Amino acid sequence: DARVTQTPRDKVTEMGQEVTMRCQPILGHNTVFWYRQTMMQGLELLAYFRNRAPLDDSGMPKDRFSAEMPDATLATLKIQPSEPRDSAVYFCASGFGLADYNEQFFGPGTRLTVL
Amino acid sequence: GNSVTQMEGPVTLSEEAFLTINCTYTATGYPSLFWYVQYPGEGLQLLLKATKADDKGSNKGFEATYRKETTSFHLEKGSVQVSDSAVYFCALSDHDMRFGAGTRLTVKP
Repeated sequence: DARVTQTPRDKVTEMGQEVTMRCQPILGHNTVFWYRQTMMQGLELLAYFRNRAPLDDSGMPKDRFSAEMPDATLATLKIQPSEPRDSAVYFCASGFGLADYNEQFFGPGTRLTVL
Repeated sequence: GNSVTQMEGPVTLSEEAFLTINCTYTATGYPSLFWYVQYPGEGLQLLLKATKADDKGSNKGFEATYRKETTSFHLEKGSVQVSDSAVYFCALSDHDMRFGAGTRLTVKP
């Protein structure tokens, strides 16, 4: 069945290094969301796209984070430079449309550890 | 702004016990309400939803009713199983999705 895929599943890196996380949304979905999950903050929305255009990235630290959709089958979240406080699980979710009742389908997440 | 407050966990129950996880919301408009579930090592998945007042969402024995008068969407299940052990998130959608902090449920045999 159709699923959102994310790579890598786990990433350990050192402070200052660049990190790129990738997401393949479900074919046909036109909205993509990036979330970050930590024990302290819970689930936070970082950014979302509709039809590949960024609609809101107000939840994202602008100085080091960037999110893009080079094409309809790929969304990327990049951190440069990474810091220990970025350690979290990053989830991508996709959906169709932005109606309030629409479900979001989550990927398995990328667990990032910044040493 | 819009927000969701859900019962803090963790919640530990014996198999076949009755489950309630409380969720209340604050919203300026007329949001849709959701319960998502997260199993260990996985992403969230939709459990049930309700899109307007007095709607009842149900799935896999779980149910929740959208109560506008009390701004609540409590999750209930009559008889939990070990396989229900997971983290449960209440969420509302009104132009964007807001999640509660999550409630960890452990069901013991």
